[in-house]
Amino acid sequence: EPEVTQTPSHQVTQMGQEVILRCVPISNHLYFYWYRQILGQKVEFLVSFYNNEISEKSEIFDDQFSVERPDGSNFTLKIRSTKLEDSAMYFCASRDRTSGYNEQFFGPGTRLTVL
Amino acid sequence: AQSVTQLDSQVPVFEEAPVELRCNYSSSVSVYLFWYVQYPNQGLQLLLKYLSGSTLVKGINGFEAEFNKSQTSFHLRKPSVHISDTAEYFCAVGGGAQKLVFGQGTRLTINP
Repeated sequence: EPEVTQTPSHQVTQMGQEVILRCVPISNHLYFYWYRQILGQKVEFLVSFYNNEISEKSEIFDDQFSVERPDGSNFTLKIRSTKLEDSAMYFCASRDRTSGYNEQFFGPGTRLTVL
Repeated sequence: AQSVTQLDSQVPVFEEAPVELRCNYSSSVSVYLFWYVQYPNQGLQLLLKYLSGSTLVKGINGFEAEFNKSQTSFHLRKPSVHISDTAEYFCAVGGGAQKLVFGQGTRLTINP
């Protein structure tokens, strides 16, 4: 069964460093999302992406964040200068355009630890 | 704006007992409602969804949920739980907007 994959599973970085989190969505999906979950808190929406542009972003998704679909398979989230409060689990999700409803398929997540 | 409230942060139950995890939502538009499960150290897996039609929806692993529009609720139930149901459960709403809005999660702990 097709699934969303994410790499790495765990990333440790120093405050102020840039990180890139990678996702491979399900191959025929066209809508892509990033969510994050700070330890012990709820899952929060960051950004949605369709047709090579951001379709919606949350207040969390400030200028330090960017997303890109560099090729036909990868979808990346970049944090330019990480802060301690960026430590969280980051989930990628994708959705089939033909879905009339908003069923999103989630990857296993990348745990980002900022020291 | 949409929001979701899960009324219980933790629910301990004994194995083979029934369980109900409560979820209330708020939305100004038509909604789609979802329950996701997160097993330890894993991602989010869809348990079930309500799109329209019958208010009682059945999902995987013997779970079901009932959509109640008048009470704006979408409670999750299982008549008999198993140790393997130990996980975090998230209720979510998605409607006209692209994004999903999640509740705070309910940690279900099954005791033998």
